[in-house]
Amino acid sequence: QVTLRESGPAVVKPTQTLTLTCNFSGFSLTTSGMCVSWIRQPPGKALEWLAHIDWEDDKYYSTSLKTRLTISKDISKNQVVLTMTNMDPADTATYYCARYKVELGALDYWGQGTPVTVSS
Amino acid sequence: EIVLTQSPGTLSLSPGERATLSCRASQSFSGADLAWFQQKPGQAPRLLIYGASTRATGIPDRFRGSGSGTDFTLTISRLEPEDFAVYYCQRYGGSPPYNFGQGTKVEI
Repeated sequence: QVTLRESGPAVVKPTQTLTLTCNFSGFSLTTSGMCVSWIRQPPGKALEWLAHIDWEDDKYYSTSLKTRLTISKDISKNQVVLTMTNMDPADTATYYCARYKVELGALDYWGQGTPVTVSS
Repeated sequence: EIVLTQSPGTLSLSPGERATLSCRASQSFSGADLAWFQQKPGQAPRLLIYGASTRATGIPDRFRGSGSGTDFTLTISRLEPEDFAVYYCQRYGGSPPYNFGQGTKVEI
């Protein structure tokens, strides 16, 4: 059974760095074709893809946010970590992690999301 | 960067009616990379269709995906009460970024 769960601070101050963790089970990021992405959704707005990491440790980022994002994985802990620097109130959103399976070509399992508010 | 534009923004229909949702890309890409998601309030998105036309596990056959190149369509043949939600398309594959469309809300 595949599950993903996001965790991190509910509130961060402007200019701070946000660190989010995705704990997953039911698959391994050492398996060929397995990847994890981060996606966010501001309140009442559309989904926004942020970053991707795969079994070969290839990493891809949103064009507009690439200078602020870092994605990494810890295979031993079944975790993927996303950091976003210089947080702004416009970054207030629910942040999701999801599994991407190359065989399907789509995000097939999602976490429930973690809300993050940026406020002083 | 490939931009996906969904239309209409909102679709107002009644149960039993047919819904047709459009996802148009700024550049042509492989249909193998096109997925549709359904999102209900307070919930994470759920994968409906991948590879432009293949239903994900457990998705009823009233949901049908079609299209290729730059034009993709999600059709819901007969709307059930639980189908009223927001629907997103996404291209995921090839060169990043892997953008979503802005969504279509299907409302009663």
